[in-house]
Amino acid sequence: GQNIDQPTEMTATEGAIVQINCTYQTSGFNGLFWYQQHAGEAPTFLSYNVLDGLEEKGRFSSFLSRSKGYSYLLLKELQMKDSASYLCAVLDSNYQLIWGAGTKLIIKP
Amino acid sequence: GAVVSQHPSRVICKSGTSVKIECRSLDFQATTMFWYRQFPKQSLMLMATSNEGSKATYEQGVEKDKFLINHASLTLSTLTVTSAHPEDSSFYICSARGETRTSGGPLQETQYFGPGTRLLVL
Repeated sequence: GQNIDQPTEMTATEGAIVQINCTYQTSGFNGLFWYQQHAGEAPTFLSYNVLDGLEEKGRFSSFLSRSKGYSYLLLKELQMKDSASYLCAVLDSNYQLIWGAGTKLIIKP
Repeated sequence: GAVVSQHPSRVICKSGTSVKIECRSLDFQATTMFWYRQFPKQSLMLMATSNEGSKATYEQGVEKDKFLINHASLTLSTLTVTSAHPEDSSFYICSARGETRTSGGPLQETQYFGPGTRLLVL
């Protein structure tokens, strides 16, 4: 079956760095997305990786290893507004989105 | 575990026809269902929110007469794109929110996303 795993909840301190991991087992791979979702709002696109390596975008970076079925989202210089759920989703061979359950990130002052 | 399914996964239709997309929550009752539209590498755009048994609430700019939403039961919501045009071609994603229980844990309100439906209007 198809499966996406990410931690349910993580806690970090304001100003620190946090890494949210995502492992996947899917039928085919056409890219991996990371989204940020604040409570009651629609998910916001953060990144899309289809090739191996690290992509940096400001305070956020996303890494992909296709051979390991692994990705992580790295958040630097954490701010209180980064408290949200972070969703990992993979496009499979049929271009269907397979979603992780999301990681709730709690930022403490 | 809790899963949300969508049918069909992809559909190609002629301009002017209507297309119905089903969204089902499996293993849990969805008190609220959301319909999103996504353009490539962009954020999900919320189209409407529906609660079981009541009329959907549409976001500003979304035509309710064009995108008909029915949430007839706690496990099924449908989105009908009426008189579809090429500009309606997109990836439509539904999401269901309800109370689910992880093994041995308490009931928690959680939101799950469907795999999406690709609509191509010729």
